[in-house]
Amino acid sequence: AQKITQTQPGMFVQEKEAVTLDCTYDTSDQSYGLFWYKQPSSGEMIFLIYQGSYDEQNATEGRYSLNFQKARKSANLVISASQLGDSAMYFCAMREPTGNQFYFGTGTSLTVIP
Amino acid sequence: GAVVSQHPSRVICKSGTSVKIECRSLDFQATTMFWYRQFPKQSLMLMATSNEGSKATYEQGVEKDKFLINHASLTLSTLTVTSAHPEDSSFYICSALKGGAPRLAGNQPQHFGDGTRLSIL
Repeated sequence: AQKITQTQPGMFVQEKEAVTLDCTYDTSDQSYGLFWYKQPSSGEMIFLIYQGSYDEQNATEGRYSLNFQKARKSANLVISASQLGDSAMYFCAMREPTGNQFYFGTGTSLTVIP
Repeated sequence: GAVVSQHPSRVICKSGTSVKIECRSLDFQATTMFWYRQFPKQSLMLMATSNEGSKATYEQGVEKDKFLINHASLTLSTLTVTSAHPEDSSFYICSALKGGAPRLAGNQPQHFGDGTRLSIL
């Protein structure tokens, strides 16, 4: 079974609008970490935001926030006030405590329309 | 912040050549480094996990003799693509994890290098 599922291969959003990128995960561990990365066309992977499974509040980092619904096993990324520079691939990832390995989703390509 | 340097950023070479890619953690010690391969418009595919001072752990289907990994120090891991052929052309990207037991370092993200675009003619 897929550890991380991103069901939106491509998304479009109008500049200055908010957009939600979906991510669901599968784990039997109680302790785990969820991460979002941004990959522009240049290729580098940029760490955006982290959510721990025991964190009671949703993580926020500037314009990025994570809508964490533990019971549904979802960790959606919300980008507010989209900018043209937000156009990129976005990957959701999970780390389980049993090892150092991260599991990545298939990614969502976000295009911000001026 | 945590910075990972990957070099070279782009390589174009003839078939049969061996290519070495370096991954350095510049401001932290990385007990674990990862090597990924990424095809266009696809996700990262983990090739191997590199632990300092020990042999790398390769994922199923990745040829150990083809993709040699050396993690000689806490700040450097290298990937050598031996006798490269056109089918090895891809984007290779490394990442480093700061030291610490997984349970204690669960919130540590992987810090990625900028990747290497390898083109074999």
